[in-house]
Amino acid sequence: LAKTTQPISMDSYEGQEVNITCSHNNIATNDYITWYQQFPSQGPRFIIQGYKTKVTNEVASLFIPADRKSSTLSLPRVSLSDTAVYYCLVEMNTGFQKLVFGTGTRLLVSP
Amino acid sequence: DAGVIQSPRHEVTEMGQEVTLRCKPISGHNSLFWYRQTMMRGLELLIYFNNNVPIDDSGMPEDRFSAKMPNASFSTLKIQPSEPRDSAVYFCASSELKGKSSYNEQFFGPGTRLTVL
Repeated sequence: LAKTTQPISMDSYEGQEVNITCSHNNIATNDYITWYQQFPSQGPRFIIQGYKTKVTNEVASLFIPADRKSSTLSLPRVSLSDTAVYYCLVEMNTGFQKLVFGTGTRLLVSP
Repeated sequence: DAGVIQSPRHEVTEMGQEVTLRCKPISGHNSLFWYRQTMMRGLELLIYFNNNVPIDDSGMPEDRFSAKMPNASFSTLKIQPSEPRDSAVYFCASSELKGKSSYNEQFFGPGTRLTVL
């Protein structure tokens, strides 16, 4: 079974940088890596998407090594409102290609 | 735009009953996805449509589950008969299909929380 794994939880303090890594060994060759944020009782919300190297937008950066078997979401200077669960979403090559969400990382930001 | 609309928001039913979940995607989006979220299994893709055509239904658990998209603005996910293990939050998402990648930014609805007693 293709797996997309993430750390279960992370703790941080306001103003710090947080890096969350997703491992996806069997990623399909042609598709993007996407990260989502989810608050309780809400649907996931798009954060950032990339294919290789580095992508940056107004809220985050995404680092993808050349082999694309992992990706790292970087949140600069987190605030209390960044407390949420973060998921990577990739297309896995499992004999046929299939979209798979990561296991999710629960980030807790403290004052 | 109102975003992706799902109904009902909550559904409580008894084992054996038929359940129908509804989704209205964002206007202009031509990909629609159905996901299920549970504590044990996380977020799972059940099925997705491009231009109203089912592309990948390999995530549909079994024959009790079926999904339709009769037009670009409406989709249903039906469970018949329902079982307690179907209890979960079901999300619908839509996106704009661009180029060769089907998996652009997806916009998720608020979800339907299903409880099967």
